[in-house]
Amino acid sequence: QSALTQPPSASGSPGQSVTIYCTGTSSDIGGYNYVSWYQHHPGKAPKLIIYEVSKRPSGVPDRFSGSKSGNTASLTVSGLQAEDEADYHCSSFASSNVRVFGGGTKLTVL
Amino acid sequence: QLQLQESGPGLVKPSETLSLTCTVSGYSIKTDYYWGWIRQPPREGLEWIGSIFHSGTAYYNPSLKSRVTISVDTSKNQFSLNLRSVTAADTAVYYCAASPGGTYFRFDNWGQGTLVTVSS
Repeated sequence: QSALTQPPSASGSPGQSVTIYCTGTSSDIGGYNYVSWYQHHPGKAPKLIIYEVSKRPSGVPDRFSGSKSGNTASLTVSGLQAEDEADYHCSSFASSNVRVFGGGTKLTVL
Repeated sequence: QLQLQESGPGLVKPSETLSLTCTVSGYSIKTDYYWGWIRQPPREGLEWIGSIFHSGTAYYNPSLKSRVTISVDTSKNQFSLNLRSVTAADTAVYYCAASPGGTYFRFDNWGQGTLVTVSS
């Protein structure tokens, strides 16, 4: 059982927006602004797309955005494209120098 | 460009030790990075195993700490994972990854991953 809770699946049509939520506790998401999101296409290496809650690494489209409220972080993908179909994993730094992950959300572009 | 590549046996027997090595290329392991291991069991999410600095300072997932050792070999630009007393629950794709210092184990670079199956 993962430390952070994500819905197992999400979906949207091309051009639409979809938001994926990630729920933790005050010991991880709620206590630190070190939330990351990773995009993971099957058989490939995960790719960092959001860090420190809302920052995007160079090269990541601004269609991807992140935010946090209390113990819940969220990832919004706007203007859905076919290549956005992938698994998305949230992660947070946690107390005692630990990194925790969510169970992953499979995003389907309809 | 920093690249990572996992290597090691794809099959390990129950109760034995799982050993993997990650070779870092394009970058010295003796820099301000933490070098980590993450795994993904079939049909499950990612799980952080632990991370190490080139000085040898290591941090581990409390749920695995009693069975895990991560070490670094600066002469070979490699770091390694040893997971003792494995069971079928340790079957997973194992990734090595790099975290810039000060990012609290944010993983900017990942290896392709290697599947390790625990079975007799």
